[in-house]
Amino acid sequence: KNQVEQSPQSLIILEGKNCTLQCNYTVSPFSNLRWYKQDTGRGPVSLTIMTFSENTKSNGRYTATLDADTKQSSLHITASQLSDSASYICVVSGAGGYNKLIFGAGTRLAVHP
Amino acid sequence: DAGVIQSPRHEVTEMGQEVTLRCKPISGHNSLFWYRQTMMRGLELLIYFNNNVPIDDSGMPEDRFSAKMPNASFSTLKIQPSEPRDSAVYFCASRLTGYEQYFGPGTRLTVT
Repeated sequence: KNQVEQSPQSLIILEGKNCTLQCNYTVSPFSNLRWYKQDTGRGPVSLTIMTFSENTKSNGRYTATLDADTKQSSLHITASQLSDSASYICVVSGAGGYNKLIFGAGTRLAVHP
Repeated sequence: DAGVIQSPRHEVTEMGQEVTLRCKPISGHNSLFWYRQTMMRGLELLIYFNNNVPIDDSGMPEDRFSAKMPNASFSTLKIQPSEPRDSAVYFCASRLTGYEQYFGPGTRLTVT
């Protein structure tokens, strides 16, 4: 069964600190992996998208890594800000068809001053 | 562009009532998705339209749910009759084939 699992479920860090969120998937065949940020009361917004051949991709203070062999990804947030408080959702797209998105449950991040 | 527009943003209704959620996709996009998000199950795809035609409705929970896309700029998701377990946030998303999906702000549905 195609699944996406994320850890931790929730995380609290102090402003200015770094953190890393984890994502493991079993989706096969694999097309790409995305990280979305979802602020409270809003729809998800894409942060990064990586294909099979990409190992890392950055978007400002967000850096995503992908190991397609072990089917693991991480999202590293550098120098966290209060505005980083949100849910971060790992999403995997399978190859073929219309590339249906399979969503992880998300990691709820709270950045405290 | 105003992005994906959804209405209403909040809906509170009683069990057994009909509920209609509306979505206006981004102009020029040819694919539209309806998702449901709950704390227990996260984001789930309900139905996918391409060029106004339903392609995958395997995520529609049961016959009480129906979706239509009469034209490229409008879609509805209807629940009749509604039940408390339908309470969730419903998202509409659109994309141009091969490109990124853009989500709307969602409709928070509460069925009492």
